[in-house]
Amino acid sequence: AQTVTQSQPEMSVQEAETVTLSCTYDTSESDYYLFWYKQPPSRQMILVIRQEAYKQQNATENRFSVNFQKAAKSFSIKISDSQLGDAAMYFCAYRSASGTDKLIFGTGTRLQVFP
Amino acid sequence: AAGVIQSPRHLIKEKRETATLKCYPIPRHDTVYWYQQGPGQDPQFLISFYEKMQSDKGSIPDRFSAQQFSDYHSELNMSSLELGDSALYFCASSTGQGRSAEQFFGPGTRLTVL
Repeated sequence: AQTVTQSQPEMSVQEAETVTLSCTYDTSESDYYLFWYKQPPSRQMILVIRQEAYKQQNATENRFSVNFQKAAKSFSIKISDSQLGDAAMYFCAYRSASGTDKLIFGTGTRLQVFP
Repeated sequence: AAGVIQSPRHLIKEKRETATLKCYPIPRHDTVYWYQQGPGQDPQFLISFYEKMQSDKGSIPDRFSAQQFSDYHSELNMSSLELGDSALYFCASSTGQGRSAEQFFGPGTRLTVL
């Protein structure tokens, strides 16, 4: 079974600075998708960025970029120019490319942004 | 743009009562997923439907049942409620069974069992 691990329960960053959140996963599959979701205090789940495992190029989305290391099964997200609105719970998630398409989430990292 | 609608947004029930949560997917989305997020926990997959048929099942208690109707809305029925059922219940929808299709989440229904 696939598992997702986020080893940082909490992280903090100064406004305008850069922060990296870590995620590792375990799978025997070769094709899959990885996601970072943001959950602000409103509890809404918002997709931040996604990565297809077959793509070598790391995904970027404005101030958000990922470092996808397939061999190491690592999928970190870097938030540049952090803003107060980035403060939220961040979940890393895995989705198989075959069979089930349910999302498997990590335990989350709470990001605090200080002015 | 239209989003996933969940109702009610908040629900308070007593132990052993029943609850029905409703989910209205984004128009033209034919796949619905249900997730349960306990306090301080990550979302856990419960069940999913594609074209009104159950497509996958996770750690859903036997006390829970769900279905997807002809208009693609879905309902999660929960009976003999327990204190541990208190959680945020998310519904998400997507188009088809395309593996790259993003799952769009609704705002969630917060269930409190007293």
